[in-house]
Amino acid sequence: AQKITQTQPGMFVQEKEAVTLDCTYDTSDPSYGLFWYKQPSSGEMIFLIYQGSYDQQNATEGRYSLNFQKARKSANLVISASQLGDSAMYFCAMREGRPYGNNRLAFGKGNQVVVIP
Amino acid sequence: EAGVTQSPTHLIKTRGQQATLRCSPISGHTSVYWYQQALGLGLQFLLWYDEGEERNRGNFPPRFSGRQFPNYSSELNVNALELEDSALYLCASSRRGTGGDGYTFGSGTRLTVV
Repeated sequence: AQKITQTQPGMFVQEKEAVTLDCTYDTSDPSYGLFWYKQPSSGEMIFLIYQGSYDQQNATEGRYSLNFQKARKSANLVISASQLGDSAMYFCAMREGRPYGNNRLAFGKGNQVVVIP
Repeated sequence: EAGVTQSPTHLIKTRGQQATLRCSPISGHTSVYWYQQALGLGLQFLLWYDEGEERNRGNFPPRFSGRQFPNYSSELNVNALELEDSALYLCASSRRGTGGDGYTFGSGTRLTVV
């Protein structure tokens, strides 16, 4: 069963505007972690931001913030002030269980973002 | 600090052959993960090694195997290659039991089976 769902089609974003990427997840484990990665055309996966299931506040890392709505099981990524270098595929991922247990990540299919000048 | 390094960058093999992919983790990381990213699909978990042992395995046939060496580097072997094995294979490393640090990925090995 699909654990991470990213359904948005490819997106075009104007430079300097904000963009929100949707991610919903499915788990019955009370302890889990949510990650966002960026994959430019070079192929490397770049870690952006992390949200733990017990974290009280939404995670932020520079221009990236995570809109965590636990009851709705959503973890949307917000990129503020888009830059041309933000053009990439973005993947949402989840780790179930406690950090010292199962470390595997389940990934969504990704969102393609193209930033236009 | 050197990142996760993978070799080779590209690999072309014929159906039925064997492929060996290599990964060197970041210094201090003991866990290595392998993922397959086929065209148009997300990343599919293959294998997780930690402290030299296989800790978890994804839903892949036994012809996908690997190992982790005492220096924590890892090898992924794919036997009896099939056309659908063509994909980007990504390796990631982390400290054991990492929480929010994330997993650091390499740039991948692009395997093409012809």
